[in-house]
Amino acid sequence: GEDVEQSLFLSVREGDSSVINCTYTDSSSTYLYWYKQEPGAGLQLLTYIFSNMDMKQDQRLTVLLNKKDKHLSLRIADTQTGDSAIYFCAESSTDKLIFGTGTRLQVFP
Amino acid sequence: GAVVSQHPSWVICKSGTSVKIECRSLDFQATTMFWYRQFPKQSLMLMATSNEGSKATYEQGVEKDKFLINHASLTLSTLTVTSAHPEDSSFYICSTREGESNQPQHFGDGTRLSIL
Repeated sequence: GEDVEQSLFLSVREGDSSVINCTYTDSSSTYLYWYKQEPGAGLQLLTYIFSNMDMKQDQRLTVLLNKKDKHLSLRIADTQTGDSAIYFCAESSTDKLIFGTGTRLQVFP
Repeated sequence: GAVVSQHPSWVICKSGTSVKIECRSLDFQATTMFWYRQFPKQSLMLMATSNEGSKATYEQGVEKDKFLINHASLTLSTLTVTSAHPEDSSFYICSTREGESNQPQHFGDGTRLSIL
């Protein structure tokens, strides 16, 4: 079945850029998403990209998609302590979302 | 503002109790809603797809009689955990989407269920 993988943990200094990576196996993915989850809360949609796009930028967030390698990344510029959370990538080719394992981002002063 | 309202946010109850969780779509009518379960430090697992006016579609391994889903209106889906036991303790999250499939799903704030 479809599989989505992420590294488990990322630690960055406040003000630096963070890059969270994701790989997926479903070649028929049509949309790819990034969600943020803070402790004890639901998921907040950050951004998403259609599979025929290579890049999407939204303020501090930049999403890069390499469809050939099935690799998705999320870059957060000028990372702040409030960005500390778990970040999930997800892909869909049907009605369902397939989530990655989540990357815990820790931002230190 | 919030697109999805989920209630309650936290439930503690005795083993054998049935617990109902509500998921409301605030900004749009949702013919389809989704119910997920999340174990500590793990990803989300889709339990079922809730369809307005028809039966829910359950994922493999999810007991239909244990997790009852009702989607009686275009803005409300409910998940009832029947005769809950400690192994049912988990974080349950619902989501909705507007319109066609592949539109982004918007998530509720989740319900933490603790069965004693």
